[in-house]
Amino acid sequence: GNSVTQMEGPVTLSEEAFLTINCTYTATGYPSLFWYVQYPGEGLQLLLKATKADDKGSNKGFEATYRKETTSFHLEKGSVQVSDSAVYFCALRKDSGNTPLVFGKGTRLSVIA
Amino acid sequence: GAVVSQHPSRVICKSGTSVKIECRSLDFQATTMFWYRQFPKQSLMLMATSNEGSKATYEQGVEKDKFLINHASLTLSTLTVTSAHPEDSSFYICSAAGGEQETQYFGPGTRLLVL
Repeated sequence: GNSVTQMEGPVTLSEEAFLTINCTYTATGYPSLFWYVQYPGEGLQLLLKATKADDKGSNKGFEATYRKETTSFHLEKGSVQVSDSAVYFCALRKDSGNTPLVFGKGTRLSVIA
Repeated sequence: GAVVSQHPSRVICKSGTSVKIECRSLDFQATTMFWYRQFPKQSLMLMATSNEGSKATYEQGVEKDKFLINHASLTLSTLTVTSAHPEDSSFYICSAAGGEQETQYFGPGTRLLVL
C-alpha cells in the first residue's frame, strides 16, 4: 500500500541554522506530495506541494523537490527562525482532491534563539 | 486559504456517554470531508471519508456503529462517538475538500478526553 516515512524527531536547531527533514514515500504511479505544518494548538496548514516529478514546491522559505528516482520529498530551509517551531508532516495523495491523504508520523522542530 | 472550523475544541466526558463533534467549511462547499484520529506523537490515521448526501466509507478497523458520521450538507459533517470509553480519548481532526482544486483544508482539531 501507500506509505510515507519521515525522519524521527524531535529536531532542535539554533536560529539561522539550515534545516532538512527527510521524507520518502512508497506508492504506485505518480502521487501528489505535500508538506503540512502544525503550529502549537492549531490545525494542519498546507506548507507546500508538488504534483509531478521534478516539481519544486516552495513557501515561506521552505522548499521540497519531488524526486521520483529516489521516491523522496525532503523539506529544506536555509535559515530557520524561532517562529518555525512546529510539527511538520509529509503526506501523499494518489488521486484527486477528494481522496484522503496518507501522512508520515510527523517531525517536531524546535528552533532556539 | 479556505477555513474549516471544528467544535468543540476540547471536550471531557464520562465513560458511556456520547459526544458529537462538528466540522464546518466556512467559505466553500465541501463535497468530501475526512475524519482523522491522531494519537500523541503519532501521525494522523484516516477513520472515514464522507461525501455529502451519502453514507461514509470507513477504514478497516474503525467501528461504524461507534463512530457515527453524518454529512448532511455541503458545509457540515458531524462525528459522534457513541458510548465513549477511555481508549477513545484522542485528537480528532477533520479535513474538507471541494474548495480550491486539489487542496484539502484541515480543521483545528478536537481533543476528547473520556474519564
